[in-house]
Amino acid sequence: DVKVTQSSRYLVKRTGEKVFLECVQDMDHENMFWYRQDPGLGLRLIYFSYDVKMKEKGDIPEGYSVSREKKERFSLILESASTNQTSMYLCASMSRGRPQETQYFGPGTRLLVL
Amino acid sequence: DAKTTQPPSMDCAEGRAANLPCNHSTISGNEYVYWYRQIHSQGPQYIIHGLKNNETNEMASLIITEDRKSSTLILPHATLRDTAVYYCIVRVHTGTASKLTFGTGTRLQVTL
Repeated sequence: DVKVTQSSRYLVKRTGEKVFLECVQDMDHENMFWYRQDPGLGLRLIYFSYDVKMKEKGDIPEGYSVSREKKERFSLILESASTNQTSMYLCASMSRGRPQETQYFGPGTRLLVL
Repeated sequence: DAKTTQPPSMDCAEGRAANLPCNHSTISGNEYVYWYRQIHSQGPQYIIHGLKNNETNEMASLIITEDRKSSTLILPHATLRDTAVYYCIVRVHTGTASKLTFGTGTRLQVTL
């Protein structure tokens, strides 16, 4: 079974802090994604990566950055956390090859910024 | 990706089959139908996908109409643990990374 793990299930940070969210997958997937999920807004893509050291902006990259130094690990960084970044953050991974394009999600990190 | 329409909520008695419909009338020939679910406070979970033929796995069955304009996800013997929001997604297999667009889904409540 594919396993996607996230470093924390719950996190509380203060405004202005630098926040690191870590995601690790064990299936040698090329593609990894960071989404945030908010009530009424569904899942929104923040950043994704299709290979080591490669990254692409998603729909809402402002206020975030990412790092992919190793294939299995994709980190989301909030440079200076703000209260509007309080959300559920979901990491996903996906194999590049066809026909399977299933995205496998981690359990999520619920972040509260005070 | 084609737009999908799902009922906002459904109830199902435990042990009975849950049949969750999805309309995707603008689906194109190379788009697959995917189903995911999200149990409260957890990440979405892949269930099943198909193109034209009906599909079955250990979790569910997927029935796609001949014209492919609608589909039904069937949980044959629903349990309380199947209570979740179920999302129907239509997408092309591109072989490259692309986002999943989740709609509002169907909130399935399984009751005793």
